[in-house]
Amino acid sequence: QLQLQESGPGLVKPSETLSLTCSVSGGSIRDSNYYWGWIRQPPGKGLEWIGSIYNNRDTYYNPSLRSRVTISVDTSKNHFSLRLTSVTAADTAVYFCARLTILNWFDPWGLGTLVTVSS
Amino acid sequence: EIVLTQSPATLSLSPGERATLSCRASQSVSSYLAWYQQIPGQAPRLLIYDASNRATGIPARFSGGGSGTDFSLTISSLEPEDFAVYYCQHRNNWPWTFGQGTKVEI
Repeated sequence: QLQLQESGPGLVKPSETLSLTCSVSGGSIRDSNYYWGWIRQPPGKGLEWIGSIYNNRDTYYNPSLRSRVTISVDTSKNHFSLRLTSVTAADTAVYFCARLTILNWFDPWGLGTLVTVSS
Repeated sequence: EIVLTQSPATLSLSPGERATLSCRASQSVSSYLAWYQQIPGQAPRLLIYDASNRATGIPARFSGGGSGTDFSLTISSLEPEDFAVYYCQHRNNWPWTFGQGTKVEI
């Protein structure tokens, strides 16, 4: 059974870079039937799609974040990553990673990790 | 971007009752709509994809319908574990967006 787990710093200072990793177990990140994505949820609010990566290289990002976000895959470590630069308090959220099915839906999701942006 | 509006914001029901949730898109998303369930403190779970298909392992009491701009999620008889927040999401075009959620409470 495929499982995903997010990891990374829980506290990031304003103007710095947020970096998270999503470790994949129970399957290979190289599997051509799998794609990957990141979603976030500010405290007490709804879900926001951040971006998706296909074939370990083709990326699509939310226009609201495009200038600051990078998603990449490391096949040697069976994980994929999120990098968000120049963070502000508005980037405080629970960040989820998820697999995209062959039909392009998020399933399953990781448990999520809270990242707080504060000095 | 396409805005998804969910209604009602909160649905107060009892176990055994029927729940009907609505998701309206600001423009057509064809059948490219999914529903997710989120229990507090847990990750969202895919329930329905492509408007009306149940995801693997999802009980038959969950059903989805609609196309174009109007969609619904029905829970035929609420179980205690169904009290949660439900989100719709489209993938018709970029950027993908989610609705603001409907909380189903006891």
